[in-house]
Amino acid sequence: ETGVTQTPRHLVMGMTNKKSLKCEQHLGHNAMYWYKQSAKKPLELMFVYSLEERVENNSVPSRFSPECPNSSHLFLHLHTLQPEDSALYLCASSPSRGTYEQYFGPGTRLTVT
Amino acid sequence: GENVEQHPSTLSVQEGDSAVIKCTYSDSASNYFPWYKQELGKRPQLIIDIRSNVGEKKDQRIAVTLNKTAKHFSLHITETQPEDSAVYFCAASMGIQGAQKLVFGQGTRLTINP
Repeated sequence: ETGVTQTPRHLVMGMTNKKSLKCEQHLGHNAMYWYKQSAKKPLELMFVYSLEERVENNSVPSRFSPECPNSSHLFLHLHTLQPEDSALYLCASSPSRGTYEQYFGPGTRLTVT
Repeated sequence: GENVEQHPSTLSVQEGDSAVIKCTYSDSASNYFPWYKQELGKRPQLIIDIRSNVGEKKDQRIAVTLNKTAKHFSLHITETQPEDSAVYFCAASMGIQGAQKLVFGQGTRLTINP
């Protein structure tokens, strides 16, 4: 499946590191999303972008900083993370009209040491 | 904000039997209710969805029912097969400036026993 891709697929970082997750969608969608998936909260919405504008920040700590330079790309910049931030980070995209279906990427498995 | 409760958290059924997963939501403004299936190590994928102006929808062995008054919706899988084993998530959603704000339930791990 190549509709929504994410890189890297696995990431290990220390608490003082700065890293970025990348998401790219090839479906012509106008909305993009970041989700966190962990054992405690299986699918937790973090951010919503529509036409490159952030329309929802679901009370996410500032150590997570999203960026959407165009409707095909979405980044999640990470800095000063905590071990409890270790999780699978999933990106998704959806069209702005017609179907409401969100298409998910394969995720980035993040481990904070 | 919206809150979605999903039950049961685990469900084990014999192959060929039916499986039912139930969800409740809190925000009456929610108008879209998808169900996602996530197999081990894979991404969530939409299997069926329903909008608030419809009470029931069916797609082959899968059906979803919605009771807006009770704020309750359910997934029904008939004639279960081993490949139905996965984690299933319900969600409630409302539109937000051309996007959908999905709030997911906690998930149900469905196991089909041969």
